[in-house]
Amino acid sequence: DGGITQSPKYLFRKEGQNVTLSCEQNLNHDAMYWYRQDPGQGLRLIYYSQIVNDFQKGDIAEGYSVSREKKESFPLTVTSAQKNPTAFYLCASSPVAFKITDQPQHFGDGTRLSIL
Amino acid sequence: QKEVEQDPGPLSVPEGAIVSLNCTYSNSAFQYFMWYRQYSRKGPELLMYTYSSGNKEDGRFTAQVDKSSKYISLFIRDSQPSDSATYLCAMSAAGGTSYGKLTFGQGTILTVHP
Repeated sequence: DGGITQSPKYLFRKEGQNVTLSCEQNLNHDAMYWYRQDPGQGLRLIYYSQIVNDFQKGDIAEGYSVSREKKESFPLTVTSAQKNPTAFYLCASSPVAFKITDQPQHFGDGTRLSIL
Repeated sequence: QKEVEQDPGPLSVPEGAIVSLNCTYSNSAFQYFMWYRQYSRKGPELLMYTYSSGNKEDGRFTAQVDKSSKYISLFIRDSQPSDSATYLCAMSAAGGTSYGKLTFGQGTILTVHP
């Protein structure tokens, strides 16, 4: 079945450590997104990528980094510079980039990151 | 002031009730409007997707968009316990650098009790 796979489901980070969250999609979608979800705050955009080897900062990019070397993969690194990383991280994708008509995003089941 | 405002609830209704969920927004450039349902410890799943103003119906769900009032609604008829979830509204402007960028409401927690 086509879909978005995020791993791991749960992740723990020690102080000063970088951690990487995986996101893979087999939907052949061009665009991919990372969101952070905190209780009572909805989803906030961290980074997005409309095409391979290109990505843009979202609203809360500080302390995070991404890469887009393959169409199906968009990993997110939470660096030690992110002082409050405890949250639920969601990856999403949408079919086509650079078109006037928008396309709805589809989400993975998330990774919950906690601090040890 | 947030671009999208959504009453977080929680909202508790008896089975069979009609549920009304609402969002208001301030950005007149928004043209695409979505409702997502999110179960606990899961990712959001797309429920309804509408463009510009008007109504859209899908089974027990009806989405309404009133761009003149900057107000969107989701109605759930004959609500079921399986509808218990967090409902998120989301919206997007068209094209350019805003492409694909969704702005979400805070989410409304709904419980339907038997």
